[in-house]
Amino acid sequence: EAQVTQNPRYLITVTGKKLTVTCSQNMNHEYMSWYRQDPGLGLRQIYYSMNVEVTDKGDVPEGYKVSRKEKRNFPLILESPSPNQTSLYFCASTGTDNEQFFGPGTRLTVL
Amino acid sequence: GQNIDQPTEMTATEGAIVQINCTYQTSGFNGLFWYQQHTGEAPTFLSYNVLDGLEEKGRFSSFLSRSKGYSYLLLKELQMKDSASYLCAVRYNFNKFYFGSGTKLNVKP
Repeated sequence: EAQVTQNPRYLITVTGKKLTVTCSQNMNHEYMSWYRQDPGLGLRQIYYSMNVEVTDKGDVPEGYKVSRKEKRNFPLILESPSPNQTSLYFCASTGTDNEQFFGPGTRLTVL
Repeated sequence: GQNIDQPTEMTATEGAIVQINCTYQTSGFNGLFWYQQHTGEAPTFLSYNVLDGLEEKGRFSSFLSRSKGYSYLLLKELQMKDSASYLCAVRYNFNKFYFGSGTKLNVKP
């Protein structure tokens, strides 16, 4: 089954404690993205990757890092989380037919 | 960021037709997407337009006018399960995506 998986699905943490949200896709897609979704603001792109070892900033990259060492995985790293990073996060991958598949989401709370 | 504008909320009756509009800035445009998102779930892809005109897919159709920076999503024969948020997104310069805030559609019996 074609899918994008994310882990963890829910996370409560404290300010400053480094965390990683994993994302994996099994469709051999080259393009992957991370988004955050906040009420009234819609989805905002954090980072994207055009292919292995090729990443670039989206609209709201501050406070986040990513890596793309292999095609299937695209982890999101928060080196020093802050309360304003409390949000719902989605990973997505896009195929050559332009259909974007989203992961199930990770609800992050930073206290 | 780019201004992707769509109405915040709409209400329609089961069996009816509803049109959800979206306007966007045209510079750097490289494709327009519509997604459906039920509460608490991930968005799911509905349609993609890059050329002017209407794309039909079952009960859903999407229209694009590149010169006007305008798109709409048309939902026919509305069903209760169509109650959801509908997200308009634009890809710019082949790699960056910008989303509207979403239109919450309420379908009433």
